[in-house]
Amino acid sequence: AQTVTQSQPEMSVQEAETVTLSCTYDTSESDYYLFWYKQPPSRQMILVIRQEAYKQQNATENRFSVNFQKAAKSFSLKISDSQLGDAAMYFCAYRSVYNAGNMLTFGGGTRLMVKP
Amino acid sequence: ETGVTQSPTHLIKTRGQQVTLRCSSQSGHNTVSWYQQALGQGPQFIFQYYREEENGRGNFPPRFSGLQFPNYSSELNVNALELDDSALYLCASSSASGGAADTQYFGPGTRLTVL
Repeated sequence: AQTVTQSQPEMSVQEAETVTLSCTYDTSESDYYLFWYKQPPSRQMILVIRQEAYKQQNATENRFSVNFQKAAKSFSLKISDSQLGDAAMYFCAYRSVYNAGNMLTFGGGTRLMVKP
Repeated sequence: ETGVTQSPTHLIKTRGQQVTLRCSSQSGHNTVSWYQQALGQGPQFIFQYYREEENGRGNFPPRFSGLQFPNYSSELNVNALELDDSALYLCASSSASGGAADTQYFGPGTRLTVL
């Protein structure tokens, strides 16, 4: 079974600065998908960014980018020019391409606080 | 495009009762997954429905059951409620099954409290 670990329960960043959230995972599979989801106090999970394991190029979405290190099984999220609206819980998630269905395995989350 | 909706928003039940939670998938999506998120934790996969059949199940007992309807909406039923069932229940929909574009989009969740 796959596991996802987020070692930072809480992170803090000054508005307009850059912050990096860490995620490591354990798998014996060679192909899979990785995701970062944001969960604000409204509770709704919002997709931030997605990475296919077979792609060497790191995914980017505007101010959000990832550092995907497949050999190290590491998938960190970098948020540039942090905004007050970025404050939320961030979850890293893994999805196998081999299992029936598309079950997501989530990490425990990192709470990001943004200071004005 | 209509997003994923869930009802009710909040629910309070007592131990031993039964509960039904509802989810309407995003338009164009035919797969629905349910997750349980205990306070302060990441979501845990309960099960998934694809074309009205269960298509994968996590480590949850049989008293957690579900249905998917022809319009792809879904229900999660929990029997014999226990205190540990108190959690946020999230529904997520996606299109097809297993493809690269098969990203799950989540609803706002139902907060269940068991007293």
